[in-house]
Amino acid sequence: AQSVTQPDIHITVSEGASLELRCNYSYGATPYLFWYVQSPGQGLQLLLKYFSGDTLVQGIKGFEAEFKRSQSSFNLRKPSVHWSDAAEYFCAVVPPMDTGRRALTFGSGTRLQVQP
Amino acid sequence: NAGVMQNPRHLVRRRGQEARLRCSPMKGHSHVYWYRQLPEEGLKFMVYLQKENIIDESGMPKERFSAEFPKEGPSILRIQQVVRGDSAAYFCASSEGHPNQPQHFGDGTRLSIL
Repeated sequence: AQSVTQPDIHITVSEGASLELRCNYSYGATPYLFWYVQSPGQGLQLLLKYFSGDTLVQGIKGFEAEFKRSQSSFNLRKPSVHWSDAAEYFCAVVPPMDTGRRALTFGSGTRLQVQP
Repeated sequence: NAGVMQNPRHLVRRRGQEARLRCSPMKGHSHVYWYRQLPEEGLKFMVYLQKENIIDESGMPKERFSAEFPKEGPSILRIQQVVRGDSAAYFCASSEGHPNQPQHFGDGTRLSIL
């Protein structure tokens, strides 16, 4: 069965430090990959997406993610974290188009705290 | 250019009542998805609809839950005879349909059951 794993439930970093949030997926073929961010009481905002091509994708708010097929990973990174980045981050996948499925499967999320 | 609009933002119901959650997709989007976020659990897919059609309801509970997306008007998620376990945040997303077109989310409806 398709699954998405975010091994880190909670991460705390200092403001200005670099950040990497891990995401691994389990699926026969490469799915479509997404990262979303959710602030408390809010909906989910799309940070970036990967479908094909260049394995390093740039997103909004200074985030980037790298797709590594050999590791079935799609880790999210930011070189310098801002206090406003404190939120919950979700990795999500959609199966390849030929499956007919469109539903997002989400990881369990990583809650990011930023220390001053 | 309005995003996905959900209402109400907060809904309180007593056990046994009905809850109706509404979702208006982004302009130009004809595909709607409903997800549920239970406390201490992740986001789980419930149902995927196009206008007047349910495409995938594999995540919907078999009883008490239904969804529609009529030709005119918003998509409705309906929960009949609510129970305490239905308390959750319900999110609607919309897209243009192709899987490489991302889903855009509304701010959700927080349902509380007394």
